[in-house]
Amino acid sequence: EAGVTQFPSHSVIEKGQTVTLRCDPISGHDNLYWYRRVMGKEIKFLLHFVKESKQDESGMPNNRFLAERTGGTYSTLKVQPAELEDSGVYFCASSQARTSGGEQYFGPGTRLTVT
Amino acid sequence: GDSVTQMEGPVTLSEEAFLTINCTYTATGYPSLFWYVQYPGEGLQLLLKATKADDKGSNKGFEATYRKETTSFHLEKGSVQVSDSAVYFCALSGTYGNKLVFGAGTILRVKS
Repeated sequence: EAGVTQFPSHSVIEKGQTVTLRCDPISGHDNLYWYRRVMGKEIKFLLHFVKESKQDESGMPNNRFLAERTGGTYSTLKVQPAELEDSGVYFCASSQARTSGGEQYFGPGTRLTVT
Repeated sequence: GDSVTQMEGPVTLSEEAFLTINCTYTATGYPSLFWYVQYPGEGLQLLLKATKADDKGSNKGFEATYRKETTSFHLEKGSVQVSDSAVYFCALSGTYGNKLVFGAGTILRVKS
């Protein structure tokens, strides 16, 4: 069974440009999460989808970030326009369980560098 | 809000040494607790978990016990190997949601 995949693995863009990150969850996982780790700090939650619906987007930093999950399969996270402070590693995770003890399976992350 | 604090690294040990990485948490209700590990060039993997007080999670020789009285979930291993070199993250999942709250991560370096 394929794990969570993310594309691209690394993106370098200039301030003001747009970048779209993609996440393909494990097949059959209704729950999809986005997290971000900035410069060696803690990994922070961005948002949670259940199928195609946003269950919790309390961690989204501002309206320059737009996440979608059309059809309840893969998800995209668009940053427009990118700022320097958006640099970091963006992780995607998926899970079947809806309870707090369920395991989340993580992708390898996308390293975003904004110059 | 919920938070996790773990010891800062890097932690450098010789092979076969004893490992402890401290983790404490603040949360309302009864969270589930996790240790995730990130090996170089890979994504995060669940190492172990505990879902209620006094539970002990264990995997690959690593152990951690959910201590509600001290709000702690310290990671231990009796004899580390070079292959254990990685970044270790303590995390919790709150009572009323699925999102994970992570600590800052601890880099472990094991030298032969």
